[in-house]
Amino acid sequence: DTEVTQTPKHLVMGMTNKKSLKCEQHMGHRAMYWYKQKAKKPPELMFVYSYEKLSINESVPSRFSPECPNSSLLNLHLHALQPEDSALYLCASSQADRGSSYEQYFGPGTRLTVT
Amino acid sequence: GQNIDQPTEMTATEGAIVQINCTYQTSGFNGLFWYQQHAGEAPTFLSYNVLDGLEEKGRFSSFLSRSKGYSYLLLKELQMKDSASYLCAVRGEYGGSQGNLIFGKGTKLSVKP
Repeated sequence: DTEVTQTPKHLVMGMTNKKSLKCEQHMGHRAMYWYKQKAKKPPELMFVYSYEKLSINESVPSRFSPECPNSSLLNLHLHALQPEDSALYLCASSQADRGSSYEQYFGPGTRLTVT
Repeated sequence: GQNIDQPTEMTATEGAIVQINCTYQTSGFNGLFWYQQHAGEAPTFLSYNVLDGLEEKGRFSSFLSRSKGYSYLLLKELQMKDSASYLCAVRGEYGGSQGNLIFGKGTKLSVKP
């Protein structure tokens, strides 16, 4: 199983809503990532979890709150977003052991629209 | 600072060979990846280089020169389905064991009949 799943596929939310994006993998990967991708731009790293601990936060605004409840799941909680936060949110996972290739497997993404 | 450069767009003919170049300047280097991304879809892994030289995988090959901060992706026997964006990404180093990737802006390849 080399699949990373993400739900929902599409999400429309207002600026006062609270919603969550979910990501799941069963490849035994201990590193999981959230990326944000705007149209015609490359993915931008937001957060990295390594062994269920937040190891990188790329100066992401606090209206985005990540959570890693266990080694297979990664959530991104959204609150009070702005229209400019509309984008494709990609989850990825990889091995985390030194010496591994760290090849990242991406999920299909959640297309988020903030109105 | 972090800088990864690749051409914005390229056009090639079905059945031909195309080379997509990537140059990088990053703080820390722990491998270079190439990903393919079709419009509206997630990136999919193509190749990984951490040592100098050529890695071949079917119709795709990738080359790395660490001393020059340079890589290329070579696509042979182009097919229409190869029309996509090709992303060069460098794994930096945050001092941990995770594989944070820094992506270039991507090269949009159009394959014409």
